[in-house]
Formats: sequence, structure tokens, C-alpha cells
Amino acid sequence: AAGVIQSPRHLIKEKRETATLKCYPIPRHDTVYWYQQGPGQDPQFLISFYEKMQSDKGSIPDRFSAQQFSDYHSELNMSSLELGDSALYFCASSLRTGGSDTQYFGPGTRLTVL
Amino acid sequence: GENVEQHPSTLSVQEGDSAVIKCTYSDSASNYFPWYKQELGKRPQLIIDIRSNVGEKKDQRIAVTLNKTAKHFSLHITETQPEDSAVYFCAATSYNTDKLIFGTGTRLQVFP
Repeated sequence: AAGVIQSPRHLIKEKRETATLKCYPIPRHDTVYWYQQGPGQDPQFLISFYEKMQSDKGSIPDRFSAQQFSDYHSELNMSSLELGDSALYFCASSLRTGGSDTQYFGPGTRLTVL
Repeated sequence: GENVEQHPSTLSVQEGDSAVIKCTYSDSASNYFPWYKQELGKRPQLIIDIRSNVGEKKDQRIAVTLNKTAKHFSLHITETQPEDSAVYFCAATSYNTDKLIFGTGTRLQVFP
């Protein structure tokens, strides 16, 4: 079965640079979620989108923005990167229209800020 | 806000033994409780979930129990195998939010 796809899988940036992470949900899934996981930490919810509209917002810095496009893929844009932004970034998707809130996670993007 | 506590933080068992991980949540509106298994550097992988209208759910060697009154839910793994070694996260969410609130994780080690 098709899973959530994330790209790139690894990304190395310098401080103050910009990064864009992409997420392609499971086909027919309509909801996308973004999580940040620091080393040894649990995943922290950043933001979610349902049918291309922002659905919920968590502890996402103002330097970050995200959107969901007409084909349901989502992008997380991160600007003015800081050392503390180094983490694993996971995207998850679900089929909310089908009445399911089960979130399936992608493989993640490992962001390293130098 | 919602808080999920998870215990123990580490758990070592012999192969074939059982393992139990416990979580407590704070938001009485929570109605969905998934469990994820995460190997180092990999994605959280859903292994079982339970909804608030059910007290227990089982899938082969894995079972989850929910006590809504006490706001407790637990993961039970029987006949553990070395490949069960990973970090396990409990999580909770409610009908009025998208966010999964995760516990702090339990590192399970199964020794042959």
C-alpha cells in the first residue's frame, strides 16, 4: 500500500537560511499534519490542514509557514533557521472525510542546521 | 492543556516475557488513543489504537486497555521478541483538535 512520501529525506542548512520540506499524503487522504521531533523527544504537533485549509495549529514558530495545495500535498517553509531547528520533521496524513482520525506518518526529513 | 504521562521510560525484558507500558491523560475530552512504535531514526508506526467507547482491544500479541474513569490506558505485549525492541509512544487526542499529544516514550529492550 502507498504510504506518505516526504522529501528531501535529509537536509543540511546554515543558520539564517531557508528550507522547504514537502509532504505527499497517502492517496485520497485529505488531511495533513506536521510534527517536529528533537533528539530523544516525543513528536510535537506543528500544524495541520484539511481540504487545503489550516485546520489546527500547535507550537509552530512564526518563522515557519505551511500550506496544502490542490493536489493535497503540503509544504513546510522554514525561514531564518536556527540551530535549535535541527530535528526530524514528520508529516502524517489521514482520511477525515471517511470518519477516520488515524494518522499515518511519513519517513521524515532530517534537518541539520549548522 | 492536554498532558500525557508515560511510564516506565525504559523497560528491559527477556524474550518470551510480557511487557506493559502505562499512560495517563489529563483531558477528559480525549477520545482516541493510538500507540506508535518507533525504531531509531525511523517513522512512528501505528501498532494499535483504541477509542473511548471501547475498554479493550487486542491484535495478536498486542493489546490495549482503557479506563476512562481513571484516565489510564495501557499497552500489553505478550511473548516478546527481540524485534519488539524500540521506543513506544502512547498518544491522545480529542474530537475538537487535530493534534496528537504524545507521551514521553518508553524504550523497550528485549534480550534474547
